Amino acid sequence: RKEVEQDPGPFNVPEGATVAFNCTYSNSASQSFFWYRQDCRKEPKLLMSVYSSGNEDGRFTAQLNRASQYISLLIRDSKLSDSATYLCAIYGQNFVFGPGTRLSVLP
Amino acid sequence: DAGVIQSPRHEVTEMGQEVTLRCKPISGHDYLFWYRQTMMRGLELLIYFNNNVPIDDSGMPEDRFSAKMPNASFSTLKIQPSEPRDSAVYFCASSDKSGYSNQPQHFGDGTRLSIL
Repeated sequence: RKEVEQDPGPFNVPEGATVAFNCTYSNSASQSFFWYRQDCRKEPKLLMSVYSSGNEDGRFTAQLNRASQYISLLIRDSKLSDSATYLCAIYGQNFVFGPGTRLSVLP
Repeated sequence: DAGVIQSPRHEVTEMGQEVTLRCKPISGHDYLFWYRQTMMRGLELLIYFNNNVPIDDSGMPEDRFSAKMPNASFSTLKIQPSEPRDSAVYFCASSDKSGYSNQPQHFGDGTRLSIL
């Protein structure tokens, strides 16, 4: 089993839709969790950290499920500008990035 | 504040040549990471440093790759000799680990390397 896994997508959704991604991890001792966004031919940029109690930043909600060892990212009222690849990053002994989930928001 | 600075932005060279990629981390960050990204393999961690000391280089593909961090504000990743399969985007990232919380990584713009 890979250390961090994501559904590669692509997820094609209409503007205004709600979309959710999951990211599973194998190291139960993992301590810190993040979501990054990467636009085509650009560097990954931090979208948000994921806290144990869940957290929200505008249209974005991140949650952690330690029992099932996954984190999730929910995007509400999706915009065309949300089209990107979303990478999860898990910090256990080392930082490990997932392979990313590609999102295309369609007009 | 300046972010992570990488140079060059683009590098095109012939196979067999030596390639040196450079990185300046964010001031005050004590972790530095080198990644390689390709369509096929995604984002792969090559090596990372803590306080200028290499901690884990298990991701370095082979002996042709080497990395150094002579001081807190500079690191290099060298490929010698280069091969076409080394063509990729190479990212440098830095982070700060303080207390019991692990901080996210901040990435540079990357170096797009093409080996002909």
